[in-house]
Amino acid sequence: SQKIEQNSEALNIQEGKTATLTCNYTNYSPAYLQWYRQDPGRGPVFLLLIRENEKEKRKERLKVTFDTTLKQSLFHITASQPADSATYLCALYNFNKFYFGSGTKLNVKP
Amino acid sequence: GAVVSQHPSRVICKSGTSVKIECRSLDFQATTMFWYRQFPKQSLMLMATSNEGSKATYEQGVEKDKFLINHASLTLSTLTVTSAHPEDSSFYICSARELAGNTYEQYFGPGTRLTVT
Repeated sequence: SQKIEQNSEALNIQEGKTATLTCNYTNYSPAYLQWYRQDPGRGPVFLLLIRENEKEKRKERLKVTFDTTLKQSLFHITASQPADSATYLCALYNFNKFYFGSGTKLNVKP
Repeated sequence: GAVVSQHPSRVICKSGTSVKIECRSLDFQATTMFWYRQFPKQSLMLMATSNEGSKATYEQGVEKDKFLINHASLTLSTLTVTSAHPEDSSFYICSARELAGNTYEQYFGPGTRLTVT
């Protein structure tokens, strides 16, 4: 069966450290993968997109990697801040639709 | 980035009534919009794909007669929850996709919290 797995346990880190979130998938062949941020009671906000032929993408303090052999994407936030606390979702684009993981909640403590 | 709005942001209705939720793309045209629902601490579940000028495509297990979708223009899609029941209480989110080069970027509305009493 098709699965998109993100760590369901919250990730707690100290301000200033690098947060690393994982997205693993099975039985998908995504053309590209996206990461979103979602705050409580709000819709997701698009952060980064990475294509299947790209290894790494960066945007300010954010970095995404995509390994189609391992079927895994890693999402990094460097120099994390309390304002980065939110739930982060990965989404795969496959056959004209987006499929979402359940998200990982990140808590950045001051 | 592109902006998608939803209205209303919150609605409380009585069991058996119908509720309409609007989704608008504000600064771009969207031939395709998506409707999702999300239960607390769970992922977004795709309900249907809304196509401008044609019938919506529903995901398996979603009742098309209960969740009516109309995509009347390139900037507006509506979801009507008919004969709502308490189990329909959820967070409903729409999205619109915009072609950027050879990839689609998806932009979400702020969501609508539906409570059926």
